[in-house]
Amino acid sequence: SYVLTQPPSVSVAPGQTARITCGGNNIGSKSVHWYQQKPGQAPVMVVYDDSDRPSGIPERFSGSNSGNTATLTISRVEAGDEADYYCQVWDSNSDHWVFGGGTKLTVL
Amino acid sequence: QVQLVESGGGLVKPGGSLRLSCAASGFSFSDYYMSWIRQAPGKGLEWVSYISSGGGLIYYADSLKGRFTISRDNAKNSLYLQMNSLRGEDTAVYYCARCTSGRDAFDFWGQGTMVTVSS
Repeated sequence: SYVLTQPPSVSVAPGQTARITCGGNNIGSKSVHWYQQKPGQAPVMVVYDDSDRPSGIPERFSGSNSGNTATLTISRVEAGDEADYYCQVWDSNSDHWVFGGGTKLTVL
Repeated sequence: QVQLVESGGGLVKPGGSLRLSCAASGFSFSDYYMSWIRQAPGKGLEWVSYISSGGGLIYYADSLKGRFTISRDNAKNSLYLQMNSLRGEDTAVYYCARCTSGRDAFDFWGQGTMVTVSS
């Protein structure tokens, strides 16, 4: 089955840029989606189809996808961005929806 | 606005059964594919099952091995998950989620219902 690999944690100072990676075999050929989950809350989609933002998501959130790595970039990081972030793809070979293991973003 | 409200979770003994429900509102439920996704305590997200808008296309995660059954009642705007032969590793928060129009992602999630399997 298809595997997505994320770093367990990323730390960044307020106002700086955070980059969270998601690795997968030829992931650039798939559409990658990203979710933010704060403690005790349900996940919220922050980026879909590699780089599009749902309504209401700040422009500070952006995404890219090429080769074997997709990246979620959060510019001008705020304390309120501290959360777990998950990447996700649909694996057409198995008709399964796959999540990465998640990355905990810490704002220093 | 889109709302998804899960119910039916609780404490159940190993080998027991539970039926989860998800009440949808704020959108045309019968037009959307839906999924169940779970999260074990302190762990990541795991996709569980998917059902097409009319109910004719269904997929399950391999780990379930035929123990779970997804269904929907479009007249009642409701999604269900029948869980049988429950095991300790099924302990998790279960979320229902609406699939995007592209059907490959999840644009709205409920708040989840906790299922605890323990003797």
